[in-house]
Amino acid sequence: GENVEQHPSTLSVQEGDSAVIKCTYSDSASNYFPWYKQELGKRPQLIIDIRSNVGEKKDQRIAVTLNKTAKHFSLHITETQPEDSAVYFCALWRAGGGNKLTFGTGTQLKVEL
Amino acid sequence: NAGVTQTPKFQVLKTGQSMTLQCAQDMNHNSMYWYRQDPGMGLRLIYYSASEGTTDKGEVPNGYNVSRLNKREFSLRLESAAPSQTSVYFCASSTGGGNYGYTFGSGTRLTVV
Repeated sequence: GENVEQHPSTLSVQEGDSAVIKCTYSDSASNYFPWYKQELGKRPQLIIDIRSNVGEKKDQRIAVTLNKTAKHFSLHITETQPEDSAVYFCALWRAGGGNKLTFGTGTQLKVEL
Repeated sequence: NAGVTQTPKFQVLKTGQSMTLQCAQDMNHNSMYWYRQDPGMGLRLIYYSASEGTTDKGEVPNGYNVSRLNKREFSLRLESAAPSQTSVYFCASSTGGGNYGYTFGSGTRLTVV
């Protein structure tokens, strides 16, 4: 079945620095790659996504890159702020994979003042 | 437009009791999902319904049953609750088209004593 590995599991950065979270997968049929942010005690919320025919997508301070050859995709957060502190989950959707996302195990990001 | 609504938000059960978690969406989504989230374990799929009239097991279905009552509603039932089912439960929905992310409900925090 589908598998997605997410690293690191925890990440601590200073305010204003950049943060990068990486996910790797094995199934080349994966064709949609969303990222979710979950603040403490709240629901996961979609923050950005990318499809397999695109290499990079940006939305203000966040960006996602996809390397289909190497089978990995990454979330980049620039100029981090305390409100970026949360758990981030990558996920992927595999064509013909049963209409469901497979999630990574999450990264706890802490932005320190 | 409420999105995905889950009830109840909190519940305490005694071992052996039964209960049903309710989920409804008003976005005309085809697919609905139930996840559980435990500390350090990420999001684990319990059951899902790719379309009205169908249900399938996820990775942790034991001890649970589901009903897709209609296109809007997808319920999760615990027939005989166990302490191992203490968790936060999230319902989610998606268009099911294969290229769209989930919308999550606000979660149900369940404690089994």
